[in-house]
Order: sequence, then structure tokens, then C-alpha cells
Amino acid sequence: KNQVEQSPQSLIILEGKNCTLQCNYTVSPFSNLRWYKQDTGRGPVSLTIMTFSENTKSNGRYTATLDADTKQSSLHITASQLSDSASYICVVSVGGANNLFFGTGTRLTVIP
Amino acid sequence: GAVVSQHPSRVICKSGTSVKIECRSLDFQATTMFWYRQFPKKSLMLMATSNEGSKATYEQGVEKDKFLINHASLTLSTLTVTSAHPEDSSFYICSAAGLGHYEQYFGPGTRLTVT
Repeated sequence: KNQVEQSPQSLIILEGKNCTLQCNYTVSPFSNLRWYKQDTGRGPVSLTIMTFSENTKSNGRYTATLDADTKQSSLHITASQLSDSASYICVVSVGGANNLFFGTGTRLTVIP
Repeated sequence: GAVVSQHPSRVICKSGTSVKIECRSLDFQATTMFWYRQFPKKSLMLMATSNEGSKATYEQGVEKDKFLINHASLTLSTLTVTSAHPEDSSFYICSAAGLGHYEQYFGPGTRLTVT
């Protein structure tokens, strides 16, 4: 069964601290993995997208890693800011844009 | 990057009425559009997939007669919630993908509240 699981479900950190969010998947055949940031009441915004051959990809303070062998990905956020408070969703694709499997998301709250 | 808009951003309607939500791809031709709904603190759930000029394909458990989807052009898809009930209150998000694109681009969402 194709599934995407994320942990933790929620996380509270102090402003300026780093954090790492986890994503495990059983989706097959794997095409690519994306991390999205979703602010409350807004649509998801793409942070990174990685294919099978990519191990790491950065976008500013966001760094995603992918281990296709263990089917795990992580999203590391450095020097967190209050504006990082959002839900972070891991999405795995099975071939093209039409077949996406969504994780349940990690709700990150950054406090001053 | 590709931009997808939705209108309205939020709508309140009375039970039994119908409401239409528009999804537009602003700077690319969307051969495929997707409609999702999202309940509080839950992830997105795919409702249906529509290809321009074709009937939409609905996910299991989604009533096609209740959620009418039209994708008449390469830049516009509409979702009409017919005879809305309070349990239809949710956050509806569309996304779009162009020919040869391997990524869906999401709209900002529409908050529907049925009273």
C-alpha cells in the first residue's frame, strides 16, 4: 500500500533554533519527492523537489535529504524564524504530476 | 514560477444553495487540473482530476453529482458544490499541471462555510 508518513505530528521550537522533520514512504514506483510549506488558510508552496538520484537539495534555510534505499527523507530548517510557522507536507509522486501521495504533515510552531 | 489563482478566497453560503469555485492557471496552459479538500489539521485529499475538454475522474467516495467539475479551457476549471450542507464546509484547493510538467502547482485555496 502506498503511504507517506511524517513525524513528528507537531513541533514547537524557539526562534533561531534548527529542526528536522522526517518523512518515510512506501510509495512505489518512486518518481520524485517534494516538500511543501502550507501556511494556515493558504495553498501549499513548493520548497524542494528531488528525484531518485538526488540525495540533498537546498532552498535557502531549507535543506531536504533523500535516501531512496531506506525510503526516507528529511527537511532541515536552520535558524528558524517566526514566519516558518506552518505545516510542512511531504509528497511522493508515482510517475508525473498526476499521482501524488500526501503525508499528513508536520505542524511547526516557532515561538519568540 | 507557475501561478494558480482561486476565486473566491472564502465564501459563506446557506445550506441547500450551490456555490462555484474557480481555479485559473495564470501563466501556463493547464492540461490537467486537480481538486482537493482539506479538513482542519488534515492533509489534502484528492477529490477529482480533470483534463481539459474531458469529464473529470472522481476519487472513490466523492459524489460527482454533488461536486460538479468543469474544465472547459486550458486555463480555467470550476468546482460547483451543489445543494451544499454544513458538512461540506472545508478548505478546497485546486492545482494545475501543464503538458510535460512533472509538478502540480497549487492555488491558494478557498474556504467554504455552509451555514
